[in-house]
Amino acid sequence: EDKVVQSPLSLVVHEGDTVTLNCSYEVTNFRSLLWYKQEKKAPTFLFMLTSSGIEKKSGRLSSILDKKELFSILNITATQTGDSAVYLCAVETAFGNEKLTFGTGTRLTIIP
Amino acid sequence: DAMVIQNPRYQVTQFGKPVTLSCSQTLNHNVMYWYQQKSSQAPKLLFHYYDKDFNNEADTPDNFQSRRPNTSFCFLDIRSPGLGDAAMYLCATSRGAALYGYTFGSGTRLTVV
Repeated sequence: EDKVVQSPLSLVVHEGDTVTLNCSYEVTNFRSLLWYKQEKKAPTFLFMLTSSGIEKKSGRLSSILDKKELFSILNITATQTGDSAVYLCAVETAFGNEKLTFGTGTRLTIIP
Repeated sequence: DAMVIQNPRYQVTQFGKPVTLSCSQTLNHNVMYWYQQKSSQAPKLLFHYYDKDFNNEADTPDNFQSRRPNTSFCFLDIRSPGLGDAAMYLCATSRGAALYGYTFGSGTRLTVV
């Protein structure tokens, strides 16, 4: 059974802090790893990672994948209250048809 | 704008009364997915259609069924909703790989009373 585990489950930090969110996985037929941000609605796409060691960056957010150790991290620097959300990690597998398996998410709360 | 639309946004149904949730897309994506997300839990894949081919997850209860009459529409039918089926139901579409992106609808929040 495919498994995606995120840690920590929740995190509370002050505005301006830097946070690191973790995602580890055990899946069959790995294709890619995706990060999503979810506020009280559908997930919104952040990054897709397919290759080890290549950092993806978007503003204050960055992410990297380690396919040997089977994990990814999402970094957010200089956090703002608007970063408060649940961050979901999902792994795309291809066993005939591609599909996403999600982790339970990390709930990030930024205190002003 | 091309998008994925779910109706209704909020649905209240009675215990045991059949309910249908709908999803439509203007993206012409060939794959459509239904996810169930319970409070504070990860989205869980129920089933997906690759074109007309239906793919059921092994642990999806028999109480849940789906129909895809054409490329644009997909329906989730819950034959006899129980209290444990209360959740957010998310529809997503793709062209068959993350490379092309997955697009999520805004979800339908189902309450069972």
